Amino acid sequence: AQTVTQSQPEMSVQEAETVTLSCTYDTSESDYYLFWYKQPPSRQMILVIRQEAYKQQNATENRFSVNFQKAAKSFSLKISDSQLGDAAMYFCAYRSSLGATNKLIFGTGTLLAVQP
Amino acid sequence: EAQVTQNPRYLITVTGKKLTVTCSQNMNHEYMSWYRQDPGLGLRQIYYSMNVEVTDKGDVPEGYKVSRKEKRNFPLILESPSPNQTSLYFCASSHNREVKNTGELFFGEGSRLTVL
Repeated sequence: AQTVTQSQPEMSVQEAETVTLSCTYDTSESDYYLFWYKQPPSRQMILVIRQEAYKQQNATENRFSVNFQKAAKSFSLKISDSQLGDAAMYFCAYRSSLGATNKLIFGTGTLLAVQP
Repeated sequence: EAQVTQNPRYLITVTGKKLTVTCSQNMNHEYMSWYRQDPGLGLRQIYYSMNVEVTDKGDVPEGYKVSRKEKRNFPLILESPSPNQTSLYFCASSHNREVKNTGELFFGEGSRLTVL
């Protein structure tokens, strides 16, 4: 069974600085999706960035980028020029490309604080 | 506006009093699912539905029921709630993988349930 591990329960970053959140996963599959979701205090789950495993190029979305290391099964999220609005819980998630279900497997989350 | 709507957003109830959390989506998604979020555990899937009248258990289905009589609605039923079902619940939807599937799940705003 696939698992997702986020080893940093909490992180802190100064406004305008860069922070990297770690995520590792375990799977025997070769094709899958990886996601980072943001959960602000409003509790809404917001998709930050998505990576297809068959794509070697790292995904980027404005200030957010990932470092996808398929062989190492690592999927870290880098937030550049951190803003106060980036403060939230961040979840890493895995979705298989096999089978019929669209189930996401989530890590336990990293709570990011942004210091002014 | 494309959205997943859950009700109620907050509920405090007592052990054994049946309750239903409703979920409705307006994106014509075939796939719908329920997750619960608990501290230190991330989000875990309770039940999912690939289409009307098709439902299946997720990872933590005990104590819950679901139904999918219409494509847009997927209610979560707690027949006899217990304190260990105190949690934050999310409904999510997407197209099935064979229909323009990007892998992304669209989440509702969450329902905070407390069982005393």
